Amino acid sequence: GAGVSQSPRYKVAKRGQDVALRCDPISGHVSLFWYQQALGQGPEFLTYFQNEAQLDKSGLPSDRFFAERPEGSVSTLKIQRTQQEDSAVYLCASSLRSFREADTQYFGPGTRLTVL
Amino acid sequence: AQKVTQAQTEISVVEKEDVTLDCVYETRDTTYYLFWYKQPPSGELVFLIRRNSFDEQNEISGRYSWNFQKSTSSFNFTITASQVVDSAVYFCALIHSTGNQFYFGTGTSLTVIP
Repeated sequence: GAGVSQSPRYKVAKRGQDVALRCDPISGHVSLFWYQQALGQGPEFLTYFQNEAQLDKSGLPSDRFFAERPEGSVSTLKIQRTQQEDSAVYLCASSLRSFREADTQYFGPGTRLTVL
Repeated sequence: AQKVTQAQTEISVVEKEDVTLDCVYETRDTTYYLFWYKQPPSGELVFLIRRNSFDEQNEISGRYSWNFQKSTSSFNFTITASQVVDSAVYFCALIHSTGNQFYFGTGTSLTVIP
């Protein structure tokens, strides 16, 4: 497709369950970003990949959060033992070049995670 | 530290009115980029504009215009003759030239009343 896609669009999990959120970036884009957006707030940075390398994971809120991009294309954000405070929209974005270029980031529609 | 402030939480205007959304930023970097994104109810952030810190020329794109004032660290966004389809949450964001993450404001929710 032409844009960034994410799946699932909605996910309901019981507290303690593990979840996996998928992101398909724009084809050929080097950089991939994950953001967390709480209700009524702006997106907050979680982690950044340049190709398959995770160069920055400073925004991941705990060691329950894990992200990967093994082949430098599709990425998965995994949350283990979900907690209610993990409820948010998780946004994925991609940009053409490396972070040093400060390129425009193109966002997907997000995955809305609700933890009961 | 980087910070973006959007003091207007919610704005309502009647269709065809002009509306300005404010954005004030803080950064110690001399080279940085400012962005505006639109987030309609569908949730996807739609890119509107990218501006680097060395280019203070105002920009107009159709009904949209942006006023970048480095002296006041502001990057305001004006919609002229607003339409119902402009209803959305608008985010201002900053990234420094060697950075890998956006710093977003908290957004301004715009409602255009027909």
